[in-house]
Amino acid sequence: RKEVEQDPGPFNVPEGATVAFNCTYSNSASQSFFWYRQDCRKEPKLLMSVYSSGNEDGRFTAQLNRASQYISLLIRDSKLSDSATYLCAVNPTGTASKLTFGTGTRLQVTL
Amino acid sequence: EPEVTQTPSHQVTQMGQEVILRCVPISNHLYFYWYRQILGQKVEFLVSFYNNEISEKSEIFDDQFSVERPDGSNFTLKIRSTKLEDSAMYFCASTDGSTDTQYFGPGTRLTVL
Repeated sequence: RKEVEQDPGPFNVPEGATVAFNCTYSNSASQSFFWYRQDCRKEPKLLMSVYSSGNEDGRFTAQLNRASQYISLLIRDSKLSDSATYLCAVNPTGTASKLTFGTGTRLQVTL
Repeated sequence: EPEVTQTPSHQVTQMGQEVILRCVPISNHLYFYWYRQILGQKVEFLVSFYNNEISEKSEIFDDQFSVERPDGSNFTLKIRSTKLEDSAMYFCASTDGSTDTQYFGPGTRLTVL
């Protein structure tokens, strides 16, 4: 099983749609979880950290399910500018350790 | 807002040549990282660096790679003898250690011919 696994997509959705991505991780001891956004040939930019209680930032909601070892990202009211690749990242071992990334899920929002 | 910076943005080199990629982490950060991303593939961890020494490295980070913090601001990745398969985007990242959140620089695109 891959350390961090994501559906590569692409997800093609119309503007205004709600879209959800899942990411599974294999190491049950993983400590921290993140969603990054990556535009074509650019660096990963932090979208949000994912907390056990779930967290929301505007149109974005992240959830963590430790029992099933997955995290999710929900985007409401999609905008054209949301088109990007969304990377799931997991810190497997603790403070300031490396991040292990998934392959990313590509989102294309259309008119 | 403080940012991680990297130079050069694009480096073209001949196979077998040495390259040095440069990064300036965010100024109060203590933990530094290099990642690479081959075109069309995922971001992969190379090495982490703390307190002037390597704290962790991946299998990719073999004897051809080295890292250095030559002064109080720069963090460098050296590839001694580049191979074709070293062609990738190389990202530097840093964190202050109070959280695990890492901030990435804009990357250096390395092309080995």
